[in-house]
Amino acid sequence: GQNIDQPTEMTATEGAIVQINCTYQTSGFNGLFWYQQHAGEAPTFLSYNVLDGLEEKGRFSSFLSRSKGYSYLLLKELQMKDSASYLCAVRSSPYNFNKFYFGSGTKLNVKP
Amino acid sequence: EAGVAQSPRYKIIEKRQSVAFWCNPISGHATLYWYQQILGQGPKLLIQFQNNGVVDDSQLPKDRFSAERLKGVDSTLKIQPAKLEDSAVYLCASSQFNPGQVTLAKNIQYFGAGTRLSVL
Repeated sequence: GQNIDQPTEMTATEGAIVQINCTYQTSGFNGLFWYQQHAGEAPTFLSYNVLDGLEEKGRFSSFLSRSKGYSYLLLKELQMKDSASYLCAVRSSPYNFNKFYFGSGTKLNVKP
Repeated sequence: EAGVAQSPRYKIIEKRQSVAFWCNPISGHATLYWYQQILGQGPKLLIQFQNNGVVDDSQLPKDRFSAERLKGVDSTLKIQPAKLEDSAVYLCASSQFNPGQVTLAKNIQYFGAGTRLSVL
């Protein structure tokens, strides 16, 4: 089966750095995605890892360790607009099509 | 480029009634997904279409839910009859993915704004 775990909620201060962890157990692993979802809105793509290591994209970075079934999203120089839920999604690719499994999301509260 | 369009945005019905949601994906996107997102949870895949064929509906409650994607473009998801536990946001997503294509751009899912369903 598929199992994806993320912390339910985190709080951080504007200007700080926060790390959101995601652990997963899945078969046919073929990549891990991070999405941002503001309340009442659609998820939007943030980053993607398929190989081990760090991917940096402006204020956002994502890390993957396939052997440990572990990823994190790092947000630097936090801004109030970063208050949102962050979804970890694992792609599994059996039978030549993609399946995506989402975690429950981590609600990030950024305080002044 | 226009995004994924969904309608209606909100729907309130009583249990045992029927409801239908509509989704128009991004032009040219071969894959279309319907997700159910219950408050406080991540999206759960209900059904996935590749062009106009179903590739995965293993988590679709087929006794009450149905979906179609005529002509491989827009799609409808129907619930009949609705239960209280169907209260959720129904998200539609699309991607360019076709078998054999592994570049990142073609595997990003683009989501619509969703339909918030309340069953009373």
